[in-house]
Amino acid sequence: NAGVTQTPKFQVLKTGQSMTLQCAQDMNHEYMSWYRQDPGMGLRLIHYSVGAGITDQGEVPNGYNVSRSTTEDFPLRLLSAAPSQTSVYFCASNNRRGTEAFFGQGTRLTVV
Amino acid sequence: SQKIEQNSEALNIQEGKTATLTCNYTNYSPAYLQWYRQDPGRGPVFLLLIRENEKEKRKERLKVTFDTTLKQSLFHITASQPADSATYLCARPPPGGGNKLTFGTGTQLKVEL
Repeated sequence: NAGVTQTPKFQVLKTGQSMTLQCAQDMNHEYMSWYRQDPGMGLRLIHYSVGAGITDQGEVPNGYNVSRSTTEDFPLRLLSAAPSQTSVYFCASNNRRGTEAFFGQGTRLTVV
Repeated sequence: SQKIEQNSEALNIQEGKTATLTCNYTNYSPAYLQWYRQDPGRGPVFLLLIRENEKEKRKERLKVTFDTTLKQSLFHITASQPADSATYLCARPPPGGGNKLTFGTGTQLKVEL
């Protein structure tokens, strides 16, 4: 039982490049979320999903796309990376009651 | 706006003392509050959840209180140890519950020998 797995752990992108951050969970959780964490800003919700095929925007969705084709996977796509997207990204999953959140180890992304 | 405030200044205490961290919130009172621990380079790890009808919750050396009048939660670590050094985050759900958690910026705790 691995919990929430994120890949890659580190990534450097050039401005304008695209990439996908992967997130997978093996706990059969309905809810999955993506957060970014910046110094002094705390964790901010980017997008979330309440089940396969259902996604919605969080607090800071601009520049990011998500899809949820299976219960297990919730990838985050950056279509055209910008320096403002330099951050640490965390994926999380919750059970149906939406209480305890399980987080992945994070992806540290630098956009130059 | 949904706001959670935690003391941004690091808290330094001596081993064996009780550490007390504060979480203040504005506007609505949530159905529950959660506390997480985050170590450098790692994701947050859930510690405790306290519901609005619970004044206090304990887990081993941890104690959390919830005061809906003051709009505040206190997180205590008794008999603190250097291994307790980490950043502690407070989080609340939106009105009506759900999984769209809003997190505070966290308070860094350093327990010194």
